[in-house]
Amino acid sequence: GAVVSQHPSRVICKSGTSVKIECRSLDFQATTMFWYRQFPKKSLMLMATSNEGSKATYEQGVEKDKFLINHASLTLSTLTVTSAHPEDSSFYICSARDPLNTEAFFGQGTRLTVV
Amino acid sequence: KNQVEQSPQSLIILEGKNCTLQCNYTVSPFSNLRWYKQDTGRGPVSLTIMTFSENTKSNRRYTATLDADTKQSSLHITASQLSDSASYICVVTTKTSYDKVIFGPGTSLSVIP
Repeated sequence: GAVVSQHPSRVICKSGTSVKIECRSLDFQATTMFWYRQFPKKSLMLMATSNEGSKATYEQGVEKDKFLINHASLTLSTLTVTSAHPEDSSFYICSARDPLNTEAFFGQGTRLTVV
Repeated sequence: KNQVEQSPQSLIILEGKNCTLQCNYTVSPFSNLRWYKQDTGRGPVSLTIMTFSENTKSNRRYTATLDADTKQSSLHITASQLSDSASYICVVTTKTSYDKVIFGPGTSLSVIP
């Protein structure tokens, strides 16, 4: 099946710094990628939809200036958590949609810890 | 309101036993329904995908059913293994001008020896 690679899998950063998470579709071109946040024992919450070559569409309540999304190519989307705070600590997951079968494949997730 | 509900919230079963997880949805218009398995600290992995016309679909020890009339789906796991311990998420996609994906809260399954 299609593979979506997310990097890094774990990151610890200091408060006030920025962290970039990458999401790559390895064997298909993804015109649309999605970024999710997941709290412990909770389901995935959609943060934003990333469209190649255009601005991301953010869900209500998600700060655009804090969670910067860039989808510069058909195989790469990045999420940058700017000026990170401890409350940003969470599990972030991306998914990419294979346009040929419309199925979305998930990355492995990134555990962000802000200290 | 488009919603996906799952039951039970959590489940503990003995290794080798079978179990059935439930998913009810109020999503409309319906496009498809997927069951995902999510191991702790990992991204979800697709188990099955079902469209409106499909009633049953099997994938190894997993069998999913769909009743589009009652808007219910189930995931049956046969002869459970310790590695089945995970969260199982029901995901429903609407078919509008763009696909919108609605996640269920998940069922946490623990298989014990």
